[in-house]
Amino acid sequence: AQSVTQLGSHVSVSEGALVLLRCNYSSSVPPYLFWYVQYPNQGLQLLLKYTSAATLVKGINGFEAEFKKSETSFHLTKPSAHMSDAAEYFCAVSGDDKIIFGKGTRLHILP
Amino acid sequence: DAGITQSPRHKVTETGTPVTLRCHQTENHRYMYWYRQDPGHGLRLIHYSYGVKDTDKGEVSDGYSVSRSKTEDFLLTLESATSSQTSVYFCAISAKVGASGSPLHFGNGTRLTVT
Repeated sequence: AQSVTQLGSHVSVSEGALVLLRCNYSSSVPPYLFWYVQYPNQGLQLLLKYTSAATLVKGINGFEAEFKKSETSFHLTKPSAHMSDAAEYFCAVSGDDKIIFGKGTRLHILP
Repeated sequence: DAGITQSPRHKVTETGTPVTLRCHQTENHRYMYWYRQDPGHGLRLIHYSYGVKDTDKGEVSDGYSVSRSKTEDFLLTLESATSSQTSVYFCAISAKVGASGSPLHFGNGTRLTVT
């Protein structure tokens, strides 16, 4: 079985500051990991995915995530936050026919 | 964008009435999913399908049923709607899951209010 824990339901950063959103996973099989973003009143969009090819994964809009097996983590980062990054972010894991999502982290960008 | 259409986009219904939500895809993907999104709970899997007439339960399946008679359509039915089923419902599709690591592509959601 798989599960995902996202640390912090709300995160606030200043515009231009580092963005760090935390995700820890549990999986009984080698996992595939994803980050999705949801803007207000929209569906979810894929930011990036880890499928074992490389531990550092680059996604859209300047985001990247690093898979650390020893820490069972897949944290999402962006060097410099932009106002347009304000959204809700979801970490997800799959290993069988299902994809399980975390509870989400809402990112607030302070001017 | 993946061709996924959810209908209706908004619905208000009364407690005890049956409700059916439709998800239609034009991608010919094998896997289809229904999630509900609620504040503080993220997305929770209701039911999913891995082929025509092949479905399975997710983590919050009580009170819901699904049907998939064609590759392109996946229906979610609330047999007797309750206020606890007020939520935003998302359909998602994928060509493959599991060992392939294929991502999900989401529809724009259906906002359901049960009064």
